Amino acid sequence: DIVMTQSPDSLAVSLGERATINCKSSQSVLYSSNNKNYLAWYQQKPGQPPKLLIYWASTRESGVPDRFSGSGSGTDFTLTINSLQAEDVAVYYCQQYYTTPPYTFGQGTKLEIK
Amino acid sequence: QVQLVESGGGVVQPGRSLRLSCAASGFTFSSYGMHWVRQAPGKGLEWVAVIWYDGSNKYYADSVKGRFTISRDNSKNTLYLQINSLRAEDTAVYYCARDRGQWLVGEVGYWGQGTLVTVSS
Repeated sequence: DIVMTQSPDSLAVSLGERATINCKSSQSVLYSSNNKNYLAWYQQKPGQPPKLLIYWASTRESGVPDRFSGSGSGTDFTLTINSLQAEDVAVYYCQQYYTTPPYTFGQGTKLEIK
Repeated sequence: QVQLVESGGGVVQPGRSLRLSCAASGFTFSSYGMHWVRQAPGKGLEWVAVIWYDGSNKYYADSVKGRFTISRDNSKNTLYLQINSLRAEDTAVYYCARDRGQWLVGEVGYWGQGTLVTVSS
């Protein structure tokens, strides 16, 4: 099974600054036949179910603010939140959905305001 | 709009069984892969199982294989999760979730509010 490892486990960023969360997979999630990375990012606020932010590693879901962006390929990925807002306080998860399941999540990164 | 409403959770003794249900509405249920994802109290997300849009394929996390069974009834727009031989470590909020896109199986686009399963004697 593919293991997903996020870093850091938590971080505190000042309002208006940039937050960067990393995700590393134990094997490549790049499918060579279509050149797509099978990697998604989710946001979970307290007491709520998760919300899809990014899929195919860099495609923003409809309605997600453009301050959220995803990058990376193969085994190393990054979620960047520019100009941090108070409502961005949440736990963020990456997930791989490469070929045959199981589809595994990272352990989560807790984002707080400094 | 897309709605996923889970039911069937509760307090259950170790070793007993439970069936969770998820009523779907607001979309063509038979066109989407469906997942169960769980979250133990204060912990992260754990992907549990997925079923193809037509029920033709089912996959499970290693931690639940052999004890959990995912199924669906496309005529009733309902997803199920049968949980047998419950253990304390199965205590979690269980989320029903839908694939983002039709026919594909992969990233989760919509989530229910979850149903809490507590395994305790």
